[in-house]
Amino acid sequence: EVQLVESGGGLVQPGRSLKFSCAASGFTFSNYYMAWVRQAPKKGLEWVATISTSGSRSYYPDSVKGRFTISRDNAKSSLYLQMNSLKSEDTATYSCARHGIYGWYFDFWGPGTMVTVSS
Amino acid sequence: DTVLTQSPALAVSPGERVTISCRASESVSTGMHWYQQKPGQQPKLLIYGASSLQSGVPARFSGSGSGTDFTLTIDPVEADDTATYFCQQSWNDPYTFGAGTKLELK
Repeated sequence: EVQLVESGGGLVQPGRSLKFSCAASGFTFSNYYMAWVRQAPKKGLEWVATISTSGSRSYYPDSVKGRFTISRDNAKSSLYLQMNSLKSEDTATYSCARHGIYGWYFDFWGPGTMVTVSS
Repeated sequence: DTVLTQSPALAVSPGERVTISCRASESVSTGMHWYQQKPGQQPKLLIYGASSLQSGVPARFSGSGSGTDFTLTIDPVEADDTATYFCQQSWNDPYTFGAGTKLELK
């Protein structure tokens, strides 16, 4: 059974940094592109980052480019998101998601970890 | 960015057929995907590539469309289908989601 479990969210002040992780199991982690997707309270979904199978390529929307860094450790089946220069609008639940084989959609999601950016 | 527009809410009776629409502000070819999200749960993939049914998803769900206009059809609707349905496009960078359509059963 595919499982994705995030950890490491919390309350952080504006301008500070936070890094959290996702533990994957139930599939061959190194064969899949992986992503982070966020959902702000009472709002819709926003794709935040994607990383290639080897970790050599990463992709971001302009809203987080230069502030967020996605990384992975295939030996540990783990995905990470480093967030710098946090803003109040980054407050959201961040979910780890597995990319589908046939395209840039997400076929499994974790339950998410909540990040609150507030002073 | 490609904006995906969905109707905010629909109410239908069990056993009926419902279509949920998603309109893109520019062509996304067949790079459209559909998710179901129930309260307190993570999204679940239903349809990818506009019309391909994800493994394990009941055949009551189907998708159609290309270019800018897409639909998710549930036929027949069951009580357990109460949820919010999101569309997502993967043709244009950045990859965007619709705001969701909340489906309620009468």
